Amino acid sequence: DGGITQSPKYLFRKEGQNVTLSCEQNLNHDAMYWYRQDPGQGLRLIYYSQIVNDFQKGDIAEGYSVSREKKESFPLTVTSAQKNPTAFYLCASRRTSGGYNTGELFFGEGSRLTVL
Amino acid sequence: AQKITQTQPGMFVQEKEAVTLDCTYDTSDPSYGLFWYKQPSSGEMIFLIYQGSYDQQNATEGRYSLNFQKARKSANLVISASQLGDSAMYFCAMREALNAGKSTFGDGTTLTVKP
Repeated sequence: DGGITQSPKYLFRKEGQNVTLSCEQNLNHDAMYWYRQDPGQGLRLIYYSQIVNDFQKGDIAEGYSVSREKKESFPLTVTSAQKNPTAFYLCASRRTSGGYNTGELFFGEGSRLTVL
Repeated sequence: AQKITQTQPGMFVQEKEAVTLDCTYDTSDPSYGLFWYKQPSSGEMIFLIYQGSYDQQNATEGRYSLNFQKARKSANLVISASQLGDSAMYFCAMREALNAGKSTFGDGTTLTVKP
């Protein structure tokens, strides 16, 4: 079955530590996204990538970094510069053949990060 | 300015009744897509329905339909014959052709279906 796999599901981090969240997809989608969700709120875009070796900042990129070395993989690093990293992180992908305004997002199950 | 507005933080509906979840949007791009997603308590996001800005007819997918009023910039989700499993958070989202693939989400509406 095709889909998106995020790991780990739960992660605890001490202040000052970097942590990397994994996102892998086997849907052959070109575009991949990282969103942050705080309790009771909507999704805010952190980074997105339309193609391998290229990515753009979203609305809340400060304190985060990404790479896109393979089509299937889009890992997110939460750095120590992110002031309030405790949140639920969702990775998504999308086929791009229909144009920018079409094509639903396919989501992973999310990673819940808690900073102790 | 908020691009997607969902004014109902929480909604209740009786099982087997219909419910409408509101969504208004703001854009100057003539080419855009509107999406609804469901997020159960488990946290996964599930795509429900899509409406393109040039689509002449309202989208329907099973028990879900989208009441698209372009002049009013509204894209309300209608769920018919509510089921207990419909209890979840619902998000409206928009993607503009000129905005290079970025999706903007509303703050969501929590729907509770009562038996």
